[in-house]
Amino acid sequence: KAGVTQTPRYLIKTRGQQVTLSCSPISGHRSVSWYQQTPGQGLQFLFEYFSETQRNKGNFPGRFSGRQFSNSRSEMNVSTLELGDSALYLCASSGTVSTDTQYFGPGTRLTVL
Amino acid sequence: AQSVSQHNHHVILSEAASLELGCNYSYGGTVNLFWYVQYPGQHLQLLLKYFSGDPLVKGIKGFEAEFIKSKFSFNLRKPSVQWSDTAEYFCAVKGQGGKLIFGQGTELSVKP
Repeated sequence: KAGVTQTPRYLIKTRGQQVTLSCSPISGHRSVSWYQQTPGQGLQFLFEYFSETQRNKGNFPGRFSGRQFSNSRSEMNVSTLELGDSALYLCASSGTVSTDTQYFGPGTRLTVL
Repeated sequence: AQSVSQHNHHVILSEAASLELGCNYSYGGTVNLFWYVQYPGQHLQLLLKYFSGDPLVKGIKGFEAEFIKSKFSFNLRKPSVQWSDTAEYFCAVKGQGGKLIFGQGTELSVKP
C-alpha cells in the first residue's frame, strides 16, 4: 500500500506571497492532519480534516487554512507569507476513528525569503 | 491544555548501552500514547503505541515503552542500542479532542 505523499517536496517563496501544499493520504484513510515542524517550536498541530470537514484546529493565525476533497486528498494554504513560516510541513493520514494511528508523509520544506 | 514533556533534549550513548527516554504528559482523561522516530533525512515513523490493555508495549526494532498512569509517563526503552538507532525520537499524546500533541523531541546519537 502506498504511503502518504506530499507535493511539492521543496518550495521557496518570498514574503507576502501565498502557497498551497498538497497531501494524498493512504488509500482508504479519511482523516488528514497537518503539522508544522520547526527547530524552535517542534511539531505543532495545525488542523485535521475528516470527510471534507475540519474536525480540529490548532493555534495558528487565520492565514493558515486547509480543505479536503471528496477523495480525501487535502490542501493547505498559507497566505501573506512571513519569514517565520519557514518550516517543514507534515501531513498525516489515519482511518475513520479519531483514535486511529496517524501515518506521516515526508513533508514539504517551505523556505520564505 | 494537553502538553507533553520529554526530559532529555540530546542523549549520547555508545553502542550496546541501554536506553531510556522519558516522556510525561498532562491530561486527566483517557489518552492514546505514541512514540515516533525520525531518522536523518527520513520522515516520521511509528515506533509503538498504547491504546489500552497491557501497559508494557513492544514496538519495532526492539523498542518498548511502559505506560504508568499514576505518573502520567510513557518512557521508551531499549536494552542495547545500535549505531542505526541514531535519530530523533518524539513522544505524542492524543486525548479525547483528537489532536496529536508532540513533545519537543529527543535527539539520540549512538557512537559506534
